[in-house]
This record gives sequence, C-alpha cells and structure tokens, in this order.
Amino acid sequence: NAGVTQTPKFRILKIGQSMTLQCTQDMNHNYMYWYRQDPGMGLKLIYYSVGAGITDKGEVPNGYNVSRSTTEDFPLRLELAAPSQTSVYFCASTESRGSSYEQYFGPGTRLTVT
Amino acid sequence: GQSLEQPSEVTAVEGAIVQINCTYQTSGFYGLSWYQQHDGGAPTFLSYNALDGLEETGRFSSFLSRSDSYGYLLLQELQMKDSASYFCAAFGPYSGGYQKVTFGIGTKLQVIP
Repeated sequence: NAGVTQTPKFRILKIGQSMTLQCTQDMNHNYMYWYRQDPGMGLKLIYYSVGAGITDKGEVPNGYNVSRSTTEDFPLRLELAAPSQTSVYFCASTESRGSSYEQYFGPGTRLTVT
Repeated sequence: GQSLEQPSEVTAVEGAIVQINCTYQTSGFYGLSWYQQHDGGAPTFLSYNALDGLEETGRFSSFLSRSDSYGYLLLQELQMKDSASYFCAAFGPYSGGYQKVTFGIGTKLQVIP
C-alpha cells in the first residue's frame, strides 16, 4: 500500500494563478481531509469529505474548493492564489468517523505564492 | 471554542526521559491524540487516549486526565531519531459527519548527545 500520496511536492505560484493539489489514498478510507500548516503552527482544517460526493467546510475554507468523485481521490483547488495561501498542505484520511483520531497523512505539498 | 496549549520547545539528553504536556479547552471533549512530525515530513500517529490513565506503546506512553483537561506524552530511552515536533490533538463533538479536531502548535523536541 502506498497510503496517502500527494502531488506536487513543491510549487511556486504567482498571485492570481490557480492550481489543483492532488491527493490519493489506496486504503479504501471513507474520510478524507485537507489541512494547511503555517510555520510554527498547528494544522488547520480546510475541507473534509465523509465519502464520495460529500464534502464540507472546515475551519479555514475561504479561497479553496474541493471535490470527491471517487473514494480514492480528494483534490484541493486554489483559485486566485494569494500570498496568505503560502503554506504546507497536508491531505489525510481515516477509515471511519469513529477512528478519526488516527489520521494517515500524505507527505505534503509546499506552496509559495509570490 | 477549542484551544490547546503545549510548550514550544523541549531539550533532553539521549537515553533520558522527557514529558511533553498538553492542556486543552474543548467543548464536548472525546479524546486526545499525539502525532510526531520530523522536519519536512508528514505527521504520524503515535497514540490516543479517550479514558483517564496511561497508555503504553513501546518507549512512548500517553496519559490523560479528563478532570484536569490535561494530558502528556512520555518518551523513554530517548534516541537521536526522536528529535521532532510532537502535536497533541483534541477531538470534540460530532457535527454531522465530522468529529471536530483541534491541533496544538506542536512541541519541538531536541535530543542532544
């Protein structure tokens, strides 16, 4: 099992550009999450999904969009990138709602917006 | 609201024991998890406490006191590879399909020879 994979690993965007961060898991987990981690800070939840076709906002959703067409994939879309979106983005998954305390994280995408 | 407090940095000697504390204020608290994150890496799950008491997993143990809104991670027989950041995460009430989680800012542990 590859677990949770994310692409790209690094990206530099200019202000106003758009991009999609890819996330795939091969553990057949229903629950998937997108977090951002700013330097010296904890993880902040952007969006989550409880299954294919079902997504909802987390703590800091502004400037982002998600979709979940399959169990495996949970892409995060940034529209009109801003410097405030410079961060490390982690995708995570859990098997079920009851095991949400044990999240499996991808390796992260390091995004810089200039 | 939800908030957690943990020390920003801790330094300990190789072979020693270190305790990383976490206090939380979480409505509808369910439990406390601990994650390890090496520089440039992804967080990895270490332990979870839903009930009061000590949970032991090899060299790592985690403790929870719900009455004191307090937990800690205990690392024994420290090794250089334990140098990393350690996050506590508090799990709150279910809202629809989601269980609210709040992560602390992390404690950076430096193990010195």
